[in-house]
Amino acid sequence: DIQMTQSPSSLSASVGDRVTITCRASQGINNYLAWFQQKPGKAPKSLIHSVSSLQSGVPTRFSGSGYGTDFTLTISSLQPEDFATYYCQQYHTYPRTFGQGTKVDIK
Amino acid sequence: EVQLVESGGGLVQPGRSLRLSCTGSGFSFGDYGMGWVRQAPGKGLEWVGFIRNKAYGEKTSFAASVKDRFIISRDDSNTIAYLQMDSLKTEDTAVYFCTGDNGYGVGWRIDYWGQGILVTVSS
Repeated sequence: DIQMTQSPSSLSASVGDRVTITCRASQGINNYLAWFQQKPGKAPKSLIHSVSSLQSGVPTRFSGSGYGTDFTLTISSLQPEDFATYYCQQYHTYPRTFGQGTKVDIK
Repeated sequence: EVQLVESGGGLVQPGRSLRLSCTGSGFSFGDYGMGWVRQAPGKGLEWVGFIRNKAYGEKTSFAASVKDRFIISRDDSNTIAYLQMDSLKTEDTAVYFCTGDNGYGVGWRIDYWGQGILVTVSS
């Protein structure tokens, strides 16, 4: 199975900060990489697919980049509603696998 | 508005069976793959499996942890996807999310999520 490793596992940030989360795949996954946001007690929400394509309705402060094995989710200016846990997922190979999650909380 | 609504969860004893349903609306159900993702209490997301659409023969794929115990099927006329869970184990206890998967060939991505439903496996 392809292992997805996110870093950091958690971070503390302030409103307005630029936040970067990294996701590394154990082997190449081309551009089959998605990001999801989950708030406590809620279903995940799809943010980005194909490394950098925003899902409909997702604010443009979210962006994704990378290729092959190394990927990044960036929030350009953190907003109060962005405090959540973020997961990456590869959908290049079965089984699809998620990263362990990165919790973004308030500094 | 896209909606995926799960039903059929609850408490079940180890070794027994349970079937979850997911009713979709607000999108072209027949064009989408339908999947399931679970989350054990306090843990991260785990992909369970999914069924492709009719154009791809409704072929299914599963995680190793549930293969040979779980079956996914779909009824496009009623826009419902099913997760049949047999030989349940205590480690299958989780919130189960239904997903609407968009794609073709290899790359099926999750676009839509249901609100989730709790399955508890315990004696």
